[in-house]
Amino acid sequence: NAGVMQNPRHLVRRRGQEARLRCSPMKGHSHVYWYRQLPEEGLKFMVYLQKENIIDESGMPKERFSAEFPKEGPSILRIQQVVRGDSAAYFCASSPQTYEQYFGPGTRLTVT
Amino acid sequence: TQLLEQSPQFLSIQEGENLTVYCNSSSVFSSLQWYRQEPGEGPVLLVTVVTGGEVKKLKRLTFQFGDARKDSSLHITAAQPGDTGLYLCAGHPTQGGSEKLVFGKGTKLTVNP
Repeated sequence: NAGVMQNPRHLVRRRGQEARLRCSPMKGHSHVYWYRQLPEEGLKFMVYLQKENIIDESGMPKERFSAEFPKEGPSILRIQQVVRGDSAAYFCASSPQTYEQYFGPGTRLTVT
Repeated sequence: TQLLEQSPQFLSIQEGENLTVYCNSSSVFSSLQWYRQEPGEGPVLLVTVVTGGEVKKLKRLTFQFGDARKDSSLHITAAQPGDTGLYLCAGHPTQGGSEKLVFGKGTKLTVNP
């Protein structure tokens, strides 16, 4: 059973460009979460989605960030007009209907 | 906001020694998870504790959830160089009603041969 998959693993964007991060949850998992890890910081919750629904986006910045989990295909975290402060590791996790969340390997975003 | 404080932040020990990592909060959590993260990788789930006072063992690792569900500890017996990594505690807050996890900042463990 494949784990949570994220791509790309590394992404470099210039300031002002868009970044698209993809996450495929584990088979059978219908809950997807996105977290951000800044250098020397812990993981911070961003958004929680189920198929076609955003359940909790309390950790998402108000502007430039959006997330979706369509009926078909991976979950997408989209960052428009990236700035240097967006440089971080972005992790996706998935879960069945239990407490346990399983994390992907992350996408390291570097904004130059 | 419910916070989790981990201590120590850094720990460097010799192979064969025992160690304990602590995860504390002033708030109650409905469950608590421990993860281990290697550089450049995502956190890997080690254990979930749900019941106050619960103790779980995973080989040389012992996890305990406090009676009041506000704190947890991870004890490693006879540490090995392969135990080196970042250990993270994370909990489901009882407030807010979401399934999001709140993470501590982690304990960076180095086990020297």
